[in-house]
Amino acid sequence: QVQLQESGPGLVKPSQTLSLTCTVSGGSISSGSYYWSWIRQPAGKGLEWIGRIYTSGSTNYNPSLKSRVTISVDTSKNQFSLKLSSVTAADTAVYYCARGSGSYRVPLGMDVWGQGTTVTVSS
Amino acid sequence: SYELTQPPSVSVSPGQTARITCSGDALPKKYAYWYQQKSGQAPVLVIYEDSKRPSGIPERFSGSSSGTMATLTISGAQVEDEADYYCYSTDSSGGVFGGGTKLTVL
Repeated sequence: QVQLQESGPGLVKPSQTLSLTCTVSGGSISSGSYYWSWIRQPAGKGLEWIGRIYTSGSTNYNPSLKSRVTISVDTSKNQFSLKLSSVTAADTAVYYCARGSGSYRVPLGMDVWGQGTTVTVSS
Repeated sequence: SYELTQPPSVSVSPGQTARITCSGDALPKKYAYWYQQKSGQAPVLVIYEDSKRPSGIPERFSGSSSGTMATLTISGAQVEDEADYYCYSTDSSGGVFGGGTKLTVL
């Protein structure tokens, strides 16, 4: 079955850009009616939805992060990526990637998650 | 954007029925999803589209939705069900999680 794996630097300096990649295995990122999401969770806190991308390239972002977030997809590598600019300590969290189903007009929930990767923002 | 509200905590004894609620003005028009997150682990989908149970999820987990409230019910809660539970909903503009409910079974 489909599996997701996050990768990227575990430490990012304040004001820099956080970059993470999610590699999809066990299936093609382009097949089926799916979208690909990023979610984060600060230590001891709840889940925060960051955004998602469809393989058409259409995206949705959390309004509170929209000015700093870019999500992109590379179908040739079966990967999608997250870039979060101008990071501060408040962006320190476990970052998860996930697969959701449905279309751009009628998205449904997320059924497959990566194991998560911890990113710390510190100088 | 919209919000989903959950109680911070729910506590039951083993074998009792646990009910976790999720309220939001948009829920009459949107599906609710429920995720279980055990300590140090990634979330796991336990209920989708208000009341459907993914394969591999025990039958004691069920979901319902009426009006502005969705409910996750665990009938005969087990010690291993102790976890944080999050409701989630989405539409064409984006997604949102509830704040999470810590379920204690002891």
